[in-house]
Amino acid sequence: AQSVTQLDSQVPVFEEAPVELRCNYSSSVSVYLFWYVQYPNQGLQLLLKYLSGSTLVKGINGFEAEFNKSQTSFHLRKPSVHISDTAEYFCAVSTTGGGNKLTFGTGTQLKVEL
Amino acid sequence: EPEVTQTPSHQVTQMGQEVILRCVPISNHLYFYWYRQILGQKVEFLVSFYNNEISEKSEIFDDQFSVERPDGSNFTLKIRSTKLEDSAMYFCASSEARGANIQYFGAGTRLSVL
Repeated sequence: AQSVTQLDSQVPVFEEAPVELRCNYSSSVSVYLFWYVQYPNQGLQLLLKYLSGSTLVKGINGFEAEFNKSQTSFHLRKPSVHISDTAEYFCAVSTTGGGNKLTFGTGTQLKVEL
Repeated sequence: EPEVTQTPSHQVTQMGQEVILRCVPISNHLYFYWYRQILGQKVEFLVSFYNNEISEKSEIFDDQFSVERPDGSNFTLKIRSTKLEDSAMYFCASSEARGANIQYFGAGTRLSVL
């Protein structure tokens, strides 16, 4: 079975500052990795995904993430955040050889302040 | 942009009652899912559905749960006899195919069991 750990439940940051949201996973098989964002009263929206190839993946809204197999990490970064980035961010994995189910982390609430 | 639609946005019910949560997946998608998130906890996989049958289910998805695609557009989750611990946000998702395909999520239905 696979699992996902998001160590930070809340991350406060000032506008235009950089941010990193941490995600570590555990799996005995190869995985696909995802970051989803949830704005208030909305569904989960895909930010970016890692399937294979280049370990640095770029997503929407200026976010990027780097897959590190040796550290089993997939941290999300943005060089300069905006007030509108305030949301809940979820890291998720699914296995490459099996079904589609996503295993999520507990989420990180990003709060961008002026 | 096509989206997954869930109704109602909030459902209040008495313990022991049956509830049906409804979802309209994206029209050309073939795989459908239900997830739930108990307040303060992880988003958890419940079930996946393909070709009019369950393809995978979690241990949470016991006999009180059932899913159905009653027509060409709707996908429903039925809880036969609700318990207090069924109170959660329920998310529907759909994808074009399995594997690395992106799952698109609805905004969720908040179920409150009193």
